[in-house]
Amino acid sequence: DQQVKQNSPSLSVQEGRISILNCDYTNSMFDYFLWYKKYPAEGPTFLISISSIKDKNEDGRFTVFLNKSAKHLSLHIVPSQPGDSAVYFCAATANTGGFKTIFGAGTRLFVKA
Amino acid sequence: GAGVSQSPRYKVAKRGQDVALRCDPISGHVSLFWYQQALGQGPEFLTYFQNEAQLDKSGLPSDRFFAERPEGSVSTLKIQRTQQEDSAVYLCASSRDYSYNEQFFGPGTRLTVL
Repeated sequence: DQQVKQNSPSLSVQEGRISILNCDYTNSMFDYFLWYKKYPAEGPTFLISISSIKDKNEDGRFTVFLNKSAKHLSLHIVPSQPGDSAVYFCAATANTGGFKTIFGAGTRLFVKA
Repeated sequence: GAGVSQSPRYKVAKRGQDVALRCDPISGHVSLFWYQQALGQGPEFLTYFQNEAQLDKSGLPSDRFFAERPEGSVSTLKIQRTQQEDSAVYLCASSRDYSYNEQFFGPGTRLTVL
């Protein structure tokens, strides 16, 4: 049972446009959500996070939106740059439920120059 | 270096062999995690340490998998009698302490079992 789902395996966007990566979750106990970015042959690197008490968090070109009622979050990248081409993982954790972080399967973003 | 390091980066084992994978977390980081990442999937939680204490090992797939962190710094993931389904990338991550959700990942060890 996948508790964190990223239904789009890949996404292609033109440089300068907006990239929107989506993530759905099923466990209502999750109270903290993170996005990680991964380049080939490297480990994931933390990008941005959001607590369940917020609905938006912004950091430069990256904004994460959380819709708790829909159990949905999204990552917006504006403007997209070729260096953003990577695999993006959505992750969730329930601090009251132990120490596990549950990851989605990832979305591969291609930003075309 | 300042990041999480893992060794070896690549490991090829024959079915039935034992393997040991090492993780050097960021100095001073209290929390340490091991993940298994199959091809095309996200990292899957294996186990968690807070200092030397293994607080959660619910993700270990079988009793062939064993992890330790005896002095609260370096950790070793051991897989006994490896099987082909153990082939994956094994990722180690550390974080400052349990109250910080952001984890710093190592580059992983790619294990191939023939």
